[in-house]
Parts: sequence; structure tokens; C-alpha cells
Amino acid sequence: GAGVSQSPSNKVTEKGKDVELRCDPISGHTALYWYRQSLGQGLEFLIYFQGNSAPDKSGLPSDRFSAERTGGSVSTLTIQRTQQEDSAVYLCASSPHSGQALQPQHFGDGTRLSIL
Amino acid sequence: DAKTTQPNSMESNEEEPVHLPCNHSTISGTDYIHWYRQLPSQGPEYVIHGLTSNVNNRMASLAIAEDRKSSTLILHRATLRDAAVYYCILRDLDDYKLSFGAGTTVTVRA
Repeated sequence: GAGVSQSPSNKVTEKGKDVELRCDPISGHTALYWYRQSLGQGLEFLIYFQGNSAPDKSGLPSDRFSAERTGGSVSTLTIQRTQQEDSAVYLCASSPHSGQALQPQHFGDGTRLSIL
Repeated sequence: DAKTTQPNSMESNEEEPVHLPCNHSTISGTDYIHWYRQLPSQGPEYVIHGLTSNVNNRMASLAIAEDRKSSTLILHRATLRDAAVYYCILRDLDDYKLSFGAGTTVTVRA
């Protein structure tokens, strides 16, 4: 079946511009996560959505970052006034249900964001 | 948070087994041991998880020490496609945030 789909796969933009990254989770998965992975670094949690509950935004690094999930499916991560330190691979993952260690997270291949 | 320790890198020959160790001496009784891997230019991929007993699936086997302070991921016959970074992590039942360290970079020689 179809996995997690992210678009675009690559994005190059100038410092100060806004960018939108899209994630299509696996159909039926109620939990959706955004992470980022900088070059040579580990995985950094950004935000988590679970059904109709309020999202956990505790990992967003600044108020320039925001995310929404419409209709419990597609999610968009928006970065305003991009800075060079925002350059990273942004990964989206989904799982059938959150809060349970037995549920593996299924990742997309990410969006590689480069800020010039 | 309980942490894990893995070797930085390992090499293997194609079609030979690979044993990837992971130390987690401060593991708590409710922590599950999970393994993910990340192939070049791809997102992480779930491999296997376990609590106390050894586990097998189509991708790998997980051997867990009796005291649970260490575990070993076993790839029975390495292929070139198994070249990846392998991450060993601990997850409590309420822990939905994944956090990876440096992992073990596995190189497979043809």
C-alpha cells in the first residue's frame, strides 16, 4: 500500500522567504509527527497530531514554525522568514495510534530544505 | 531518559550475518527496545522491537539479554540493501516522540 508521502522532495529558497512542506500520511493513521534531521545530527521532534486532540507543539524551535492538519489527514509545516539554520531534512511520520510504544512510526523520505 | 550506546560503525560481507550490539544499562521495566534503520537519502524505517523475549520478523531478529541491559540486532544474511544507519532506542508505553542518537553505520561489502 501507499506509504507516507512528502512534497516537495527538495526545496531551495532564499533567506527570509516563507516555505510550506506537505505530508500525506498513510490512510487511516490517526497520529502524525514532524521531525527534522540536520546534517550529521540525530532526529529532532517538532510537533505531533493525534486525532482531534490539541497538537503537541513542544518541539517547535521558534514561533516562525507552525503546522496544521486538515481533516485529520494531510498536514502542512510552515516556516516563516526562513533562516540558514533552518536548513535540514524535514521528516513526517504517521502511526495507527499514538501513545503506545508498540506502534512503529512510518516515515516519508523527507523534504530536504536548503536556505541560501 | 534511559539512553543507549552503540558502536559508531560495523562492516560485513554480503550474505554473512551481522550482529549489532546495543547497551542500555539504565533501562526501566516498562521500556521497550526498538530498532529503526535509515538508508541513504530515505526516511527512517522500523525494523523490530521487543520487551523481554527474543523476537523474529522477516527483516531481523532481536536478542535481548536476560537482565535487559543489552540487546543485539541480528541480520541473518546481509545484502547490499542493508547498508544503513541502525538506531537502537528505548520507548516507554507513553513515549510517542522518537529520538535517535548517532546509531551504527553498517557497511556491506560485495
